[in-house]
Amino acid sequence: GNSVTQMEGPVTLSEEAFLTINCTYTATGYPSLFWYVQYPGEGLQLLLKATKADDKGSNKGFEATYRKETTSFHLEKGSVQVSDSAVYFCALWVGGTSYGKLTFGQGTILTVHP
Amino acid sequence: DTGVSQNPRHKITKRGQNVTFRCDPISEHNRLYWYRQTLGQGPEFLTYFQNEAQLEKSRLLSDRFSAERPKGSFSTLEIQRTEQGDSAMYLCASSFPIAGGSITDTQYFGPGTRLTVL
Repeated sequence: GNSVTQMEGPVTLSEEAFLTINCTYTATGYPSLFWYVQYPGEGLQLLLKATKADDKGSNKGFEATYRKETTSFHLEKGSVQVSDSAVYFCALWVGGTSYGKLTFGQGTILTVHP
Repeated sequence: DTGVSQNPRHKITKRGQNVTFRCDPISEHNRLYWYRQTLGQGPEFLTYFQNEAQLEKSRLLSDRFSAERPKGSFSTLEIQRTEQGDSAMYLCASSFPIAGGSITDTQYFGPGTRLTVL
């Protein structure tokens, strides 16, 4: 079956620090990969996505590269801000018989201190 | 584009009662999804509609759960005889298939309905 594993949190950083949140996946098929972010009290928002190997998704200073050889999609940001404090979810989508379903990781809590 | 809306935002009920949640997707989206998220976990897929047809259901969706999308627009999720284990955030998402080759389906989520069963 399909599954997503994220690094365990919480992650606590100082403002302007470098961020990496690891994500690896297992998929039956060729998945598309996503990062969603959930700010306190809000729903999930799409942060970035990549649909094929070696694609790089980017948004708001965040980046992630689809690595098929290592089945990974790690999230990075060069300089985090307090406003980046949120829960980050890695997810995958595989077409075919499971075309309706996103499979999520367990989420990583990020706290950024001034 | 007003986004996906869900009502109510919060629901507190007693064990054994029935509850119903509503989801209004983005107006041009023909695909609608329900997920459940428990504390400290990622969302788990429950069911999926394309227009009014329910095309996929998770094993998580027991006989006490039923979802409808009668006119292919809004959807309702009903839980009968609620149990304490049903306490969770229920998320709705919608999407519109990308034409012209890419079949990746980007889903846009609503704010969720938080259910507490006492």
